[in-house]
Amino acid sequence: AQSVSQHNHHVILSEAASLELGCNYSYGGTVNLFWYVQYPGQHLQLLLKYFSGDPLVKGIKGFEAEFIKSKFSFNLRKPSVQWSDTAEYFCAVNGAGSGNTGKLIFGQGTTLQVKP
Amino acid sequence: DGGITQSPKYLFRKEGQNVTLSCEQNLNHDAMYWYRQDPGQGLRLIYYSQIVNDFQKGDIAEGYSVSREKKESFPLTVTSAQKNPTAFYLCASTTRRHTDTQYFGPGTRLTVL
Repeated sequence: AQSVSQHNHHVILSEAASLELGCNYSYGGTVNLFWYVQYPGQHLQLLLKYFSGDPLVKGIKGFEAEFIKSKFSFNLRKPSVQWSDTAEYFCAVNGAGSGNTGKLIFGQGTTLQVKP
Repeated sequence: DGGITQSPKYLFRKEGQNVTLSCEQNLNHDAMYWYRQDPGQGLRLIYYSQIVNDFQKGDIAEGYSVSREKKESFPLTVTSAQKNPTAFYLCASTTRRHTDTQYFGPGTRLTVL
């Protein structure tokens, strides 16, 4: 079955702490991987994505993620979080290659609360 | 500005009533999607459409219906057959290239009274 699992449902950090959010997926075939973020009261927006090449991808606002194919993982990291990073974070996967529909499978989401 | 609009932002419905949620995009995207967001469950795909006049069921299509008569529009009807319709509904669109980003609308929060 196709699925995405996010390890942490609710994370609380102090400003300047380092962040790592876990994401594992189950999907037959080659995949594209995404991290989306939903800030309070705002649209869901893309943080970063991986579809080929360097498995370490950099996104907006200092976030990065590493695709480890052998572990079916795509963990999100940030060396030093800010209060403005408080949001809900979603990991998602879809099938790569022409013929795929593009439909995304999402994880359950992780709520990050950063204390000032 | 280019983007996706959804209306209304909040919607209240009595049990037994059908209700239609609007989704419009001016991004010239071919593919459009409807997701349902529930706390602790992430987003789940309801329906999607890759081209005008064609659409497919997603993972949780029961109790929902859609149409795609125009490229810009992909309305979702929540019917009385949907047993637990109270949720946050998100519409998204993208080009048909699988690597491209899905852009999301602001969502509609539906509450059944």
